[in-house]
Amino acid sequence: AQTVTQSQPEMSVQEAETVTLSCTYDTSESDYYLFWYKQPPSRQMILVIRQEAYKQQNATENRFSVNFQKAAKSFSLKISDSQLGDAAMYFCAFLSGNTPLVFGKGTRLSVIA
Amino acid sequence: KAGVTQTPRYLIKTRGQQVTLSCSPISGHRSVSWYQQTPGQGLQFLFEYFSETQRNKGNFPGRFSGRQFSNSRSEMNVSTLELGDSALYLCASSWRAAYNEQFFGPGTRLTVL
Repeated sequence: AQTVTQSQPEMSVQEAETVTLSCTYDTSESDYYLFWYKQPPSRQMILVIRQEAYKQQNATENRFSVNFQKAAKSFSLKISDSQLGDAAMYFCAFLSGNTPLVFGKGTRLSVIA
Repeated sequence: KAGVTQTPRYLIKTRGQQVTLSCSPISGHRSVSWYQQTPGQGLQFLFEYFSETQRNKGNFPGRFSGRQFSNSRSEMNVSTLELGDSALYLCASSWRAAYNEQFFGPGTRLTVL
């Protein structure tokens, strides 16, 4: 079974600084997708960024980028120029064709003004 | 395009009662998945429906059931409620079941007294 591990329950970052959230996963699948979701206090889960396993190039969405290391099964999220609105729970998630979306336990990110 | 909607947003029930939650996916999406979110267990997959058929089921007791209608709207039902069923229930939709990012609704907060 697929597992997703987020080893940092809580992180904090100064406004305008950069922070990296860690995620590792375990799978025997070769074709899969990885996601980072953000859940602010309003509770609506929002997709931040996605990465297809077959793509070597790391995904980037504005201030959000990932470092995808397929061999190491690592998928970290880097947030640049952190803003107050980035404060939220961040969930790493794994999806393959044969299994439902599997989430990590989440990392609570605080942004300090 | 309207997002995923869930009704009701909040619900208070007592032990032993049953409850039905509703989810309307994004127009054109045929896959609906349900998740239970609690502080202790995190996000856990309940079940997934695609074209009115249950495609996957998580490790939950038979008290948890669901269905999907021809218009892709989905309902989940929990019978004989227990205190431990108190949680945020999230619904997510995608265009098709596999390899597709899921779009989440705002959730239904269920409190069992």
